[in-house]
Amino acid sequence: GQNIDQPTEMTATEGAIVQINCTYQTSGFNGLFWYQQHAGEAPTFLSYNVLDGLEEKGRFSSFLSRSKGYSYLLLKELQMKDSASYLCASEDSNYQLIWGAGTKLIIKP
Amino acid sequence: GAVVSQHPSRVICKSGTSVKIECRSLDFQATTMFWYRQFPKKSLMLMATSNEGSKATYEQGVEKDKFLINHASLTLSTLTVTSAHPEDSSFYICSASFEDRGEQYFGPGTRLTVT
Repeated sequence: GQNIDQPTEMTATEGAIVQINCTYQTSGFNGLFWYQQHAGEAPTFLSYNVLDGLEEKGRFSSFLSRSKGYSYLLLKELQMKDSASYLCASEDSNYQLIWGAGTKLIIKP
Repeated sequence: GAVVSQHPSRVICKSGTSVKIECRSLDFQATTMFWYRQFPKKSLMLMATSNEGSKATYEQGVEKDKFLINHASLTLSTLTVTSAHPEDSSFYICSASFEDRGEQYFGPGTRLTVT
C-alpha cells in the first residue's frame, strides 16, 4: 500500500535547528513536496525534490534519498513564526499526491 | 484514519463541457472542505471553503459561477468546472477538516486536462 509517515508533533527552541523526517512508500515516485501550513491558512509551498541530495533555500533545506524512501526538512535559526504544521507529500507514478498527516512544530522562546 | 479520496484521479474533457470532481472523507465527518488548485510551480491556491449545508466561500478572483461547489453531506463535496477551457487545466486538490480552523486532511488530487 501507499504510506507516508512523519512525526505528529515536535518542539524546538527559537534560534535552534530542527529536522522533520518523512518516510514514504508509494507506487512509483515522481517527487516529494514539503508545505508549511499555519492554522486556518492555505499550505505554502516550501520545496519539491526529485533527485537525491540536499537543496537549500535560505533557512530551509530539504533532503531526499529515493533508495531509502526518506526525506527531511531542515529549519535553521528558528523563529517564532515557524510554528506551524509541516506537510510531506509524495507524488506517485500517476502524479497523485500521497500526503502525510503533518508535523506540528512548536517553537518555544 | 482521516482518509480523503477524490474521483476521478484524472479527466480529459473538451473545451466547453463541464466536469465534476468528487471529494470524499472516507472515515470521518468533514464539517469543512477546501478546494485548492496546484500551479506548475507547485504552489497551492485556495479556491473556496465549504461547510456542509451552506454556500461555499470563494477566494477573491475565483469565479463562483464557473467553479460550482456543493457540500451536500458531511462526507462529500463536489467541484464542477463549468464550460471548461484549456486554461482551467490544472491539478485540483481537496482537503477536509473536522472544524473550520482545524487540521486538514488532503486528497490525492484530480488532474484536469481541457483540450
